[in-house]
Amino acid sequence: EIVLTQSPVTLSLSPGERATLSCRASQSVTNSLAWYQQKPGQAPRLLIYDASNRATGIPARFSGSGSGTDFTLTISSLEPEDFAIYYCQQRDKWPPTWTFGQGTKVEIK
Amino acid sequence: QAQLVESGGDLVKPGGSLRLSCAASQFTFSDYYMTWMRQAPGKGLEWLAYISVSGNTIYYADSVKGRFTVSRDNAKDSLYLQINSLRVEDTAIYYCARNLNYFFDLWGQGTLVTVSS
Repeated sequence: EIVLTQSPVTLSLSPGERATLSCRASQSVTNSLAWYQQKPGQAPRLLIYDASNRATGIPARFSGSGSGTDFTLTISSLEPEDFAIYYCQQRDKWPPTWTFGQGTKVEIK
Repeated sequence: QAQLVESGGDLVKPGGSLRLSCAASQFTFSDYYMTWMRQAPGKGLEWLAYISVSGNTIYYADSVKGRFTVSRDNAKDSLYLQINSLRVEDTAIYYCARNLNYFFDLWGQGTLVTVSS
């Protein structure tokens, strides 16, 4: 089973600052990695798929990079609405299972 | 606009059962694989079950295998999750989501299941 480890657990930043979130896989997932944003009381929202492709309607300040085992989600300049929890996610091919990282909370400093 | 709406969550006693539903609208439901996931209070996301377009291929997380049953009715644009032998640790918000390849591009708002005596 592939395990996803996100770091840091919490990121305390101010609006306008750059956020860099990490997701490390226990074995290679090639570029098959997605990122989601979840705000309190809401369902998760797809941000990034295939490691670097923004989903429909996602602002350009969100970008993803990486391949293999190391991935990064970058928010270039934090807006007030970006303070949330972010999860990375992948799928094991066999047996088919879908796993998430434990999440990184981006909070207002 | 494509939408998923879950229902059926409730307060139930340990050992009880529930059937959750997920109604799809504004997209061709029968074209998509579907998934159930859950999130315990204050915790992360856990994948539970996957069902193919036809319903012939189904996968479950080990943590729910034997107690949870996923099904779908393409004629009704609906996805279901039958949950039996409920445990306190099943308390969570349950989400349905649309599968696109390996990721989930559309989520419902969730339905709360609380298991308590």
